[in-house]
Amino acid sequence: AQTVTQSQPEMSVQEAETVTLSCTYDTSESDYYLFWYKQPPSRQMILVIRQEAYKQQNATENRFSVNFQKAAKSFSLKISDSQLGDAAMYFCAYRSPRGGSNYKLTFGKGTLLTVNP
Amino acid sequence: DTAVSQTPKYLVTQMGNDKSIKCEQNLGHDTMYWYKQDSKKFLKIMFSYNNKELIINETVPNRFSPKSPDKAHLNLHINSLELGDSAVYFCASSQLTRDTEAFFGQGTRLTVV
Repeated sequence: AQTVTQSQPEMSVQEAETVTLSCTYDTSESDYYLFWYKQPPSRQMILVIRQEAYKQQNATENRFSVNFQKAAKSFSLKISDSQLGDAAMYFCAYRSPRGGSNYKLTFGKGTLLTVNP
Repeated sequence: DTAVSQTPKYLVTQMGNDKSIKCEQNLGHDTMYWYKQDSKKFLKIMFSYNNKELIINETVPNRFSPKSPDKAHLNLHINSLELGDSAVYFCASSQLTRDTEAFFGQGTRLTVV
């Protein structure tokens, strides 16, 4: 079974600075999808960024980028120029493209990010 | 226009009661899910449906019964509620092609007293 590990329960960053959230996963598959979701205090789950394992290029969405290291099974999220609105719980998630595991996301336990003004 | 909407947003009820949470998506997706988020914020799949067919039932007690009347709706009925059922329940949907993510509803905070 796939597992997703976020080793940082909490992180803090100063406004305008850069922070990196860590995520590692365990899988025997070569093709899969990885996601970062953000959950602000409003409780809504919001997709931040996604990465397909077959793509070597790291995904980027404005101030958010990932460092995808397939051999190391690592998928970290970098937030540049942090803003107060970035404060939230961040979840790393994995999805397999086949079989029963195609029909679910496996989540890490989350990292609570605080942004200090 | 909300993509995935679930009702109610908050639900407070007594132990032993039966309650339902409704979910609707207007994205035309073929797959819908129920996730449970516990008090430690851990998210875990409960059920997934593809084209109204149950695909995943992740060791959820029989007191939980999902129903999908059509591809756009997935409801969750819970019988004989227990204190341990208190959690946030999220509905989500996705289209299972290569490049799509799951879209989540706002969540339903269920409190059993």
